[in-house]
Amino acid sequence: SHELTQPPSVSVSPGQTATITCSGDDLYKAFACWYQQRPGQSPVLVIYEDTNRPSGSPERFSGSKSGNTATLTISGTQAVDEADYYCQAWDVTTSSFVFGGGTRVTVL
Amino acid sequence: EVQLLDSGGGLRQAGGSLRLSCVASGFNFNTYGMSWVRQAPGRGLEWVSTINANGDTARYAEPVKGRFTMSRDNSRNTLSLLMDSLRAEDTAKYYCAKAPSPTYHFGSGSQAYFDSWGQGTLVTVSS
Repeated sequence: SHELTQPPSVSVSPGQTATITCSGDDLYKAFACWYQQRPGQSPVLVIYEDTNRPSGSPERFSGSKSGNTATLTISGTQAVDEADYYCQAWDVTTSSFVFGGGTRVTVL
Repeated sequence: EVQLLDSGGGLRQAGGSLRLSCVASGFNFNTYGMSWVRQAPGRGLEWVSTINANGDTARYAEPVKGRFTMSRDNSRNTLSLLMDSLRAEDTAKYYCAKAPSPTYHFGSGSQAYFDSWGQGTLVTVSS
């Protein structure tokens, strides 16, 4: 199986770039996606299949992947981006969806 | 606009049962796979189960296998999760979530994500 590891927290100043990583031993085999969850709200998809933004996801959100690490980048971070962010991938070994532990982004 | 309305949560004692529902609108419900994802208080997201579009195949995460049963009624655009033998560790907010495409099938690494989520319904199990 593969576990996805994220840093617990990231702090960023308004207008700066926030970078969140997601690492997993088998992540090179799978697509990664990212969800934003604001306090008290449901998750919202912001990046799918490593690099794609769904309609409605702001352009400042971008995704990339290299080997076993996927990265979510928020360029020109705004106060409204303060939230928890989760990566997710498909685990071929266990035939299950797996989530990272989440990263809290704080905009200082 | 896709809407998913979760309901049915509540307080149960360990060993009890509960049925959750999710009513869908804004898309052709009978052509999309659907899932349940849960989130324990203050914790991260955890996949629970997925059912295919016609409802004849459901898959479950190991912690709930044999205790939870997922089903759907496409005539009523409704998804259900019957939760038996509840445990304290099942305490969580439960979200229904939609597959991104009618062409997604469980087991495929492609399109393996959730593009819309319900508002969630809280299940509390006392031990």
